[in-house]
Amino acid sequence: GQQVMQIPQYQHVQEGEDFTTYCNSSTTLSNIQWYKQRPGGHPVFLIQLVKSGEVKKQKRLTFQFGEAKKNSSLHITATQTTDVGTYFCAASTSGTYKYIFGTGTRLKVLA
Amino acid sequence: DGGITQSPKYLFRKEGQNVTLSCEQNLNHDAMYWYRQDPGQGLRLIYYSQIVNDFQKGDIAEGYSVSREKKESFPLTVTSAQKNPTAFYLCASSVGDQPQHFGDGTRLSIL
Repeated sequence: GQQVMQIPQYQHVQEGEDFTTYCNSSTTLSNIQWYKQRPGGHPVFLIQLVKSGEVKKQKRLTFQFGEAKKNSSLHITATQTTDVGTYFCAASTSGTYKYIFGTGTRLKVLA
Repeated sequence: DGGITQSPKYLFRKEGQNVTLSCEQNLNHDAMYWYRQDPGQGLRLIYYSQIVNDFQKGDIAEGYSVSREKKESFPLTVTSAQKNPTAFYLCASSVGDQPQHFGDGTRLSIL
C-alpha cells in the first residue's frame, strides 16, 4: 500500500537557524497537505500543494512539491520559539478523499 | 477546531467493554475521518466517510466500528476486540479532498 516517509523524525535547532522537513511517497500523489500540531493539541492545516513543481510561501515558511509529485518539503527560515511543534505531511492519490499522514517531524527551538 | 466537537475529552474503558466516541460537525462537510495517534507518533487512519450512509476502512480498522447516519455525525465505537485501545483519537472533516478540520480529540485509556 501507499507509504509516506517523513524525515527527520526529530530536529533541535537554535532560535534563528533554519529548518527543513522532507516528505517522500512511494507513489505519485494527487496533492499534498501540510499540518502543524502543537504539543497537546490537534493538527492545524498550513498549506495544500497540487501542481508539479509548485512552490508556496507563507511568511518564513516555504513549501515545495516535487516535479514528479512524489515528494515535498517544508522549510522554515530563521526559526522562532513559536515554531515548536510537530509538522506532518498528508498525501492523497487521485479519486479519493483518503489521506495518508507522514510520521511527522518534531521541531524543538532552543532560545 | 471551530465547528467540530469531540466528546468526551477523556474516556476510560474497562476490559471487555465497548465505548463510543462522539464527533459532530456543523461545517456542512461531506467527508469525515477518524484517526488514531499514539504518543510521539503520526496519525493513522481508522475509518473515513465521503457521504452519508457510506464509509470505508482505513489502515487500522480492526477492532473499531463507525456509522454515518447523518451528515454532521460520525461516531466511532472502540470494541472489546481492540486489545490496545489506549491512544489519542482525532476526528476530522473536509469538503472533498480539501483541508481537514480537526476536533480537539479524545484521550482513551484502559482501567
